[in-house]
Amino acid sequence: NAGVTQTPKFRVLKTGQSMTLLCAQDMNHEYMYWYRQDPGMGLRLIHYSVGEGTTAKGEVPDGYNVSRLKKQNFLLGLESAAPSQTSVYFCASSYSVGEQFFGPGTRLTVL
Amino acid sequence: QQPVQSPQAVILREGEDAVINCSSSKALYSVHWYRQKHGEAPVFLMILLKGGEQKGHEKISASFNEKKQQSSLYLTASQLSYSGTYFCGTRRPGNTGKLIFGQGTTLQVKP
Repeated sequence: NAGVTQTPKFRVLKTGQSMTLLCAQDMNHEYMYWYRQDPGMGLRLIHYSVGEGTTAKGEVPDGYNVSRLKKQNFLLGLESAAPSQTSVYFCASSYSVGEQFFGPGTRLTVL
Repeated sequence: QQPVQSPQAVILREGEDAVINCSSSKALYSVHWYRQKHGEAPVFLMILLKGGEQKGHEKISASFNEKKQQSSLYLTASQLSYSGTYFCGTRRPGNTGKLIFGQGTTLQVKP
């Protein structure tokens, strides 16, 4: 089992460019989450999903969109990247409201 | 809405004890604790449900006071491997998908 995987691991964007981060899990989890982590801010929830075809806003959803077309995948999109979106992005999944399993993270820099 | 952790940082010698606190201004359903080592993803430690439940694993235990909306993580006889950043995550009643993390407490254990 690979657990939770994230693609890509690193990315550099220019302001205004768009990109999609892919999260995949092979544990048949219903719940999936996207967080961003900035120094001194902890982990902040961007969007989450409680099942295939559902999404909901977290603490900091502005500037991001998500889709959960397949149970095993959760995509995070940036339509027009801004320097404020420079961060480390973590995806996580859980069976229900219990333990969350985190992916290795994606380090994104927006110039 | 983000829970507040204290202290922000702590330095210990091997064998010493530490307590990390997590406090919320809102009613809580459950509290999660995670540890993150530098450059790695967060890893689940334990979850506490409302009812003042106390859980433990070896020399790491935690308590949850539902009425005070507080949780504490206890690290006993610390080891070098305990170094890292500890995050509490809080879930409110009814918010089945949302886990909101505190800003983190950095723990450094020295020989």
